[in-house]
Amino acid sequence: EVQLVESGGGLVQPGGSLRLSCAASGFTVTNNYMTWVRQVPGKGLEWVSVIYRDGQTYYADSVKGRFTISADNSKNTLYLQMNSLRAEDTATYYCAKGGARLCLDPWGQGTLVIVSS
Amino acid sequence: EIVLTQSPDFQSVTPKEKVIITCRASENLGTSLHWYQQKPDQSPKLLIKFASQSISGVPSRFSGSGSGTDFTLTIDSLEAEDAATYYCQQSQSLWTFGQGTKVEIK
Repeated sequence: EVQLVESGGGLVQPGGSLRLSCAASGFTVTNNYMTWVRQVPGKGLEWVSVIYRDGQTYYADSVKGRFTISADNSKNTLYLQMNSLRAEDTATYYCAKGGARLCLDPWGQGTLVIVSS
Repeated sequence: EIVLTQSPDFQSVTPKEKVIITCRASENLGTSLHWYQQKPDQSPKLLIKFASQSISGVPSRFSGSGSGTDFTLTIDSLEAEDAATYYCQQSQSLWTFGQGTKVEIK
């Protein structure tokens, strides 16, 4: 069964850093396109970042220069390193299999990030 | 950035009624448009891919149509378990989502 489990969310002060993890099972992360999407509580979905099978990465303008997406083949895990966090980064972060011209399926259960002093 | 506009934003529907949600794109997507269902406190779930392709395990009352800039998600004979927010998403150029359509059961 293909499954994604996120972890690493929590409360962090503005300007701080956090690394989110997305552990995959049932498939190999580095052989697929992988995406991060976030959702502010009570609001809609916002694409954050994607990593291609060849290692290319893309970011939403709102996080470019602050967030870094990566994947570890040995741990079969996707990461999102988030630096210089702002209050507006507060959201539930989902990882999903897919990207490029593909749809996103499946999604993880999400991990909540709260940026507040 | 490609903008997706869904309508309506909210719909209150009685069981067994037909629901139609539209998604209009600011640019030609071909068929690179996908639909997701998100129930309260759950992660999104893929319903329809590439405008009209069905997904294994998704009830047959869900269907999609359209191409180019205008797309439709149809729920035939709504069931109580279909109460959720529905999102369209484009994968033609980077990735954007519609603002969502909340479907409530009367």
